[in-house]
Amino acid sequence: EAAVTQSPRNKVTVTGGNVTLSCRQTNSHNYMYWYRQDTGHGLRLIHYSYGAGNLQIGDVPDGYKATRTTQEDFFLLLELASPSQTSLYFCASSDIGGAYAEQFFGPGTRLTVL
Amino acid sequence: QQQVRQSPQSLTVWEGETAILNCSYEDSTFDYFPWYRLFPGESPALLIAIRPVSNKKEDGRFTIFFNKREKKLSLHITDSQPGDSATYFCAARHVGDNSKLIWGLGTSLVVNP
Repeated sequence: EAAVTQSPRNKVTVTGGNVTLSCRQTNSHNYMYWYRQDTGHGLRLIHYSYGAGNLQIGDVPDGYKATRTTQEDFFLLLELASPSQTSLYFCASSDIGGAYAEQFFGPGTRLTVL
Repeated sequence: QQQVRQSPQSLTVWEGETAILNCSYEDSTFDYFPWYRLFPGESPALLIAIRPVSNKKEDGRFTIFFNKREKKLSLHITDSQPGDSATYFCAARHVGDNSKLIWGLGTSLVVNP
């Protein structure tokens, strides 16, 4: 079973602060994703990647950067955090070679921007 | 514009009842519809999925009914239990495109004992 870990699990920062969220998957999946989850808004895709050095723009990319440094590691960067970015962030991975590419999610990072 | 729409936004049922969660879409190029479940404090996880070649998919107490002509599907949870209380997301995939899923906004289900 895919293993996806995220750090930190909780983060509090101030408006204008610089935040990096980390995600690692250990099953050699091709695709990795960053989502934010807010009540009433479902799971919104921020950025995703199909391999090291690749980045694809998601549906709500404004205010976020991302970088995929290796097959395993995918980072989400908030360079000037705003209160509107207070949310629960999930990372996920999937294997493009699978028939239907089930997404496996990490435990989430709860970010609060004061 | 939401490509995958879910209703109701929230649903409360009594233990033992059947919960019915609805999902609809417009894009005919969708060819795979997974449902993910999110328990409070946990991560989303795949629950059950269906392809349009079938009109029904069953897994224990969970059944998807699919109407291709009307572009609607529904998740039925029979004999609902308090442990089924969670948010349920309907998603869709464009034909042959495993790169990402299109997500609905979710239905929050509460099962009262």
